Amino acid sequence: DGGITQSPKYLFRKEGQNVTLSCEQNLNHDAMYWYRQDPGQGLRLIYYSQIVNDFQKGDIAEGYSVSREKKESFPLTVTSAQKNPTAFYLCASRGTGSWPQHFGDGTRLSIL
Amino acid sequence: GENVEQHPSTLSVQEGDSAVIKCTYSDSASNYFPWYKQELGKGPQLIIDIRSNVGEKKDQRIAVTLNKTAKHFSLHITETQPEDSAVYFCAPVSGEKLVFGTGTRLLVSP
Repeated sequence: DGGITQSPKYLFRKEGQNVTLSCEQNLNHDAMYWYRQDPGQGLRLIYYSQIVNDFQKGDIAEGYSVSREKKESFPLTVTSAQKNPTAFYLCASRGTGSWPQHFGDGTRLSIL
Repeated sequence: GENVEQHPSTLSVQEGDSAVIKCTYSDSASNYFPWYKQELGKGPQLIIDIRSNVGEKKDQRIAVTLNKTAKHFSLHITETQPEDSAVYFCAPVSGEKLVFGTGTRLLVSP
């Protein structure tokens, strides 16, 4: 089945550690997105990429980094510079110049 | 940047009643207006969308209406069922990005 796979579903981080969240899609979509969702709130854009080897900062990029070496993959690293990383992280993708945008089922990150 | 407001923040209805959620936006260039449903612990799922060349779209019990002059669009759910209970988000497009509202928690009581 075509879709977006995020792993792991739950992730725990110790203070001072970097962690990487995985996002893979087999929809042949060019554009991919990372969002952060805090309890009871909407989605805020962290980073997005419209093509391989290119990406742009969203509204809350500080403390995060991404790479886009393959069309299918858009991993997000939460660095130790992100002081409040506990949140639900959602990955999304869409075809170039077309909507809608589709989402994965998220990774919940918690601090130990 | 785009400013999106969504109302109400919570909505409780009896099974069989109708529910309406409204979204206002500020970017006059917006031309795509989706609604997403999010269940607990899952990613948002698109339930209906509309483009700026139409004023209304319907899919069974769900409809979306758009007023581009007033810059708002609304989600209408008729004959609500308990499985409609979830959080609903509007997300009008601004440039190459969706801008999400803060969500409406819909509770449908049997």
